[in-house]
Amino acid sequence: SAVISQKPSRDICQRGTSLTIQCQVDSQVTMMFWYRQQPGQSLTLIATANQGSEATYESGFVIDKFPISRPNLTFSTLTVSNMSPEDSSIYLCSVERAGQIPVSTFGSGTRLTVV
Amino acid sequence: AQRVTQPEKLLSVFKGAPVELKCNYSYSGSPELFWYVQYSRQRLQLLLRHISRESIKGFTADLNKGETSFHLKKPFAQEEDSAMYYCALRDTDKLIFGTGTRLQVFP
Repeated sequence: SAVISQKPSRDICQRGTSLTIQCQVDSQVTMMFWYRQQPGQSLTLIATANQGSEATYESGFVIDKFPISRPNLTFSTLTVSNMSPEDSSIYLCSVERAGQIPVSTFGSGTRLTVV
Repeated sequence: AQRVTQPEKLLSVFKGAPVELKCNYSYSGSPELFWYVQYSRQRLQLLLRHISRESIKGFTADLNKGETSFHLKKPFAQEEDSAMYYCALRDTDKLIFGTGTRLQVFP
Protein backbone atom coordinates (compact mmCIF):
# COMPACT_ATOMS: atom_id res chain seq x y z
CA SER A 1 0.00 0.00 0.00
CA ALA A 2 1.02 3.63 -0.44
CA VAL A 3 3.18 5.26 2.24
CA ILE A 4 1.88 8.63 3.37
CA SER A 5 3.90 11.29 5.14
CA GLN A 6 1.81 13.94 6.82
CA LYS A 7 3.16 16.95 8.65
CA PRO A 8 3.11 18.58 11.05
CA SER A 9 2.05 15.81 13.38
CA ARG A 10 0.71 18.35 15.83
CA ASP A 11 0.54 22.08 16.38
CA ILE A 12 -0.84 24.62 18.78
CA CYS A 13 -2.00 27.78 17.03
CA GLN A 14 -3.41 31.13 17.99
CA ARG A 15 -6.94 31.96 16.93
CA GLY A 16 -7.15 33.99 13.78
CA THR A 17 -4.04 32.43 12.24
CA SER A 18 -3.79 29.79 9.52
CA LEU A 19 -2.04 26.42 9.38
CA THR A 20 -1.06 24.48 6.30
CA ILE A 21 -0.86 20.70 6.54
CA GLN A 22 1.14 18.73 4.00
CA CYS A 23 0.55 15.25 2.67
CA GLN A 24 3.21 13.47 0.64
CA VAL A 25 2.71 10.06 -0.94
CA ASP A 26 5.48 7.75 -2.14
CA SER A 27 3.64 6.86 -5.33
CA GLN A 28 1.23 8.49 -7.72
CA VAL A 29 -2.36 8.16 -6.63
CA THR A 30 -5.52 9.26 -8.32
CA MET A 31 -7.64 10.04 -5.29
CA MET A 32 -6.55 12.08 -2.27
CA PHE A 33 -8.89 13.07 0.51
CA TRP A 34 -8.84 15.24 3.60
CA TYR A 35 -10.79 14.23 6.71
CA ARG A 36 -11.45 15.86 10.04
CA GLN A 37 -11.94 14.04 13.31
CA GLN A 38 -13.27 16.26 16.03
CA PRO A 39 -12.80 15.20 19.65
CA GLY A 40 -14.92 12.17 20.45
CA GLN A 41 -16.41 12.04 16.97
CA SER A 42 -15.95 10.08 13.82
CA LEU A 43 -14.03 10.96 10.68
CA THR A 44 -15.79 13.42 8.40
CA LEU A 45 -14.71 14.03 4.84
CA ILE A 46 -13.77 17.66 4.20
CA ALA A 47 -12.95 17.44 0.50
CA THR A 48 -11.50 15.45 -2.34
CA ALA A 49 -8.25 16.94 -3.63
CA ASN A 50 -8.27 16.87 -7.42
CA GLN A 51 -5.01 17.10 -9.31
CA GLY A 52 -4.91 20.16 -11.53
CA SER A 53 -8.35 21.44 -10.60
CA GLU A 54 -10.30 22.79 -7.67
CA ALA A 55 -11.05 20.48 -4.78
CA THR A 56 -14.53 19.05 -4.34
CA TYR A 57 -15.91 20.06 -0.94
CA GLU A 58 -18.48 18.23 1.13
CA SER A 59 -21.52 19.91 2.55
CA GLY A 60 -20.57 22.19 5.40
CA PHE A 61 -17.01 22.84 4.21
CA VAL A 62 -15.97 25.77 2.02
CA ILE A 63 -12.88 26.66 0.06
CA ASP A 64 -12.32 29.95 1.88
CA LYS A 65 -11.99 28.14 5.19
CA PHE A 66 -10.17 25.03 3.97
CA PRO A 67 -8.23 25.84 0.81
CA ILE A 68 -6.63 22.78 -0.73
CA SER A 69 -3.86 22.44 -3.26
CA ARG A 70 -2.94 19.40 -5.32
CA PRO A 71 -0.14 20.33 -7.70
CA ASN A 72 0.68 16.75 -8.68
CA LEU A 73 -0.29 13.14 -8.10
CA THR A 74 1.85 12.69 -4.99
CA PHE A 75 1.31 15.85 -2.94
CA SER A 76 -1.50 17.89 -1.42
CA THR A 77 -1.93 20.57 1.21
CA LEU A 78 -4.85 21.55 3.39
CA THR A 79 -4.94 24.98 5.00
CA VAL A 80 -7.13 25.70 7.99
CA SER A 81 -7.76 29.43 7.73
CA ASN A 82 -8.66 32.04 10.30
CA MET A 83 -8.71 29.42 13.00
CA SER A 84 -10.98 29.34 16.02
CA PRO A 85 -11.03 26.90 18.95
CA GLU A 86 -13.79 24.97 17.15
CA ASP A 87 -11.21 23.99 14.53
CA SER A 88 -9.30 21.97 17.12
CA SER A 89 -9.34 18.50 15.61
CA ILE A 90 -7.25 15.81 14.06
CA TYR A 91 -6.89 16.30 10.33
CA LEU A 92 -6.10 13.28 8.20
CA CYS A 93 -4.92 12.83 4.67
CA SER A 94 -6.06 9.73 2.84
CA VAL A 95 -5.24 8.24 -0.53
CA GLU A 96 -6.97 5.56 -2.46
CA ARG A 97 -5.23 2.75 -4.20
CA ALA A 98 -6.83 2.02 -7.52
CA GLY A 99 -7.99 -1.47 -8.22
CA GLN A 100 -11.01 -3.66 -8.41
CA ILE A 101 -11.68 -2.85 -4.79
CA PRO A 102 -10.39 0.66 -3.98
CA VAL A 103 -8.78 0.74 -0.56
CA SER A 104 -8.09 3.87 1.44
CA THR A 105 -4.79 4.41 3.25
CA PHE A 106 -4.45 7.10 5.90
CA GLY A 107 -1.73 9.41 7.05
CA SER A 108 -0.78 9.61 10.70
CA GLY A 109 -2.83 12.76 11.17
CA THR A 110 -2.24 16.29 12.38
CA ARG A 111 -3.49 17.12 15.85
CA LEU A 112 -4.42 20.79 15.85
CA THR A 113 -5.18 22.77 18.98
CA VAL A 114 -6.37 26.35 18.61
CA VAL A 115 -6.03 28.58 21.64
CA ALA B 1 -29.36 9.26 3.84
CA GLN B 2 -26.25 7.12 3.89
CA ARG B 3 -25.25 6.38 7.43
CA VAL B 4 -23.14 4.06 9.53
CA THR B 5 -24.09 3.39 13.13
CA GLN B 6 -21.89 1.84 15.77
CA PRO B 7 -24.03 1.75 18.88
CA GLU B 8 -21.28 0.94 21.38
CA LYS B 9 -18.65 3.50 22.27
CA LEU B 10 -16.80 1.07 24.48
CA LEU B 11 -16.67 -2.70 24.65
CA SER B 12 -14.70 -4.38 27.41
CA VAL B 13 -13.98 -8.09 27.52
CA PHE B 14 -11.51 -10.45 29.09
CA LYS B 15 -8.85 -12.25 27.11
CA GLY B 16 -10.25 -15.37 25.47
CA ALA B 17 -13.83 -14.14 25.45
CA PRO B 18 -15.76 -13.76 22.19
CA VAL B 19 -16.09 -10.29 20.74
CA GLU B 20 -18.76 -8.76 18.54
CA LEU B 21 -18.54 -5.12 17.49
CA LYS B 22 -21.81 -3.98 16.01
CA CYS B 23 -22.23 -1.99 12.83
CA ASN B 24 -25.48 -1.10 11.07
CA TYR B 25 -25.74 0.86 7.87
CA SER B 26 -28.24 2.75 5.79
CA TYR B 27 -27.58 2.79 2.07
CA SER B 28 -29.70 2.85 -1.04
CA GLY B 29 -27.87 0.41 -3.22
CA SER B 30 -25.42 -2.41 -2.95
CA PRO B 31 -23.08 -1.46 -0.10
CA GLU B 32 -19.32 -1.79 0.11
CA LEU B 33 -18.37 -2.08 3.75
CA PHE B 34 -15.08 -2.00 5.59
CA TRP B 35 -13.68 -2.26 9.07
CA TYR B 36 -10.77 0.01 9.96
CA VAL B 37 -8.70 -0.26 13.14
CA GLN B 38 -6.51 2.22 14.97
CA TYR B 39 -4.11 0.82 17.56
CA SER B 40 -2.64 3.10 20.19
CA ARG B 41 -0.24 5.62 18.65
CA GLN B 42 -0.68 4.14 15.17
CA ARG B 43 -2.48 5.37 12.12
CA LEU B 44 -5.86 4.22 10.97
CA GLN B 45 -5.55 1.08 8.85
CA LEU B 46 -7.81 -1.26 6.97
CA LEU B 47 -8.71 -4.41 8.86
CA LEU B 48 -11.02 -6.10 6.41
CA ARG B 49 -13.58 -5.53 3.68
CA HIS B 50 -16.78 -7.45 3.16
CA ILE B 51 -16.29 -8.20 -0.49
CA SER B 52 -13.12 -10.19 0.21
CA ARG B 53 -14.82 -12.40 2.75
CA GLU B 54 -11.50 -12.66 4.52
CA SER B 55 -10.40 -13.33 8.08
CA ILE B 56 -7.73 -10.98 9.38
CA LYS B 57 -6.12 -11.48 12.79
CA GLY B 58 -8.95 -13.86 13.58
CA PHE B 59 -11.63 -11.27 12.86
CA THR B 60 -14.48 -11.86 10.44
CA ALA B 61 -17.44 -9.78 9.38
CA ASP B 62 -20.46 -10.92 7.44
CA LEU B 63 -22.71 -8.61 5.51
CA ASN B 64 -26.35 -9.18 6.42
CA LYS B 65 -28.44 -7.22 3.96
CA GLY B 66 -31.70 -8.19 5.63
CA GLU B 67 -30.59 -6.66 8.91
CA THR B 68 -28.37 -4.04 7.21
CA SER B 69 -25.55 -5.08 9.48
CA PHE B 70 -21.83 -5.77 9.18
CA HIS B 71 -20.82 -6.86 12.66
CA LEU B 72 -17.17 -7.63 13.41
CA LYS B 73 -16.53 -10.84 15.30
CA LYS B 74 -13.69 -12.73 16.87
CA PRO B 75 -14.18 -15.95 18.83
CA PHE B 76 -11.30 -15.43 21.29
CA ALA B 77 -10.14 -11.89 22.01
CA GLN B 78 -6.46 -11.14 22.64
CA GLU B 79 -4.97 -8.25 24.58
CA GLU B 80 -3.36 -6.94 21.41
CA ASP B 81 -6.82 -6.51 19.89
CA SER B 82 -7.36 -3.51 22.14
CA ALA B 83 -7.90 -0.61 19.76
CA MET B 84 -10.43 1.72 18.21
CA TYR B 85 -12.54 0.08 15.50
CA TYR B 86 -14.42 1.99 12.81
CA CYS B 87 -16.99 0.61 10.44
CA ALA B 88 -17.10 2.40 7.09
CA LEU B 89 -19.35 2.46 4.05
CA ARG B 90 -18.26 3.48 0.58
CA ASP B 91 -20.54 6.04 -1.07
CA THR B 92 -19.30 6.54 -4.65
CA ASP B 93 -15.75 7.87 -4.11
CA LYS B 94 -15.85 8.59 -0.41
CA LEU B 95 -16.01 6.69 2.86
CA ILE B 96 -18.65 7.30 5.50
CA PHE B 97 -17.45 6.30 8.95
CA GLY B 98 -19.25 5.25 12.06
CA THR B 99 -18.40 6.87 15.37
CA GLY B 100 -16.16 4.00 16.36
CA THR B 101 -16.04 1.46 19.16
CA ARG B 102 -13.16 1.22 21.57
CA LEU B 103 -12.37 -2.39 22.37
CA GLN B 104 -10.59 -3.06 25.63
CA VAL B 105 -9.33 -6.59 26.23
CA PHE B 106 -8.30 -7.24 29.81
CA PRO B 107 -5.82 -9.96 30.78
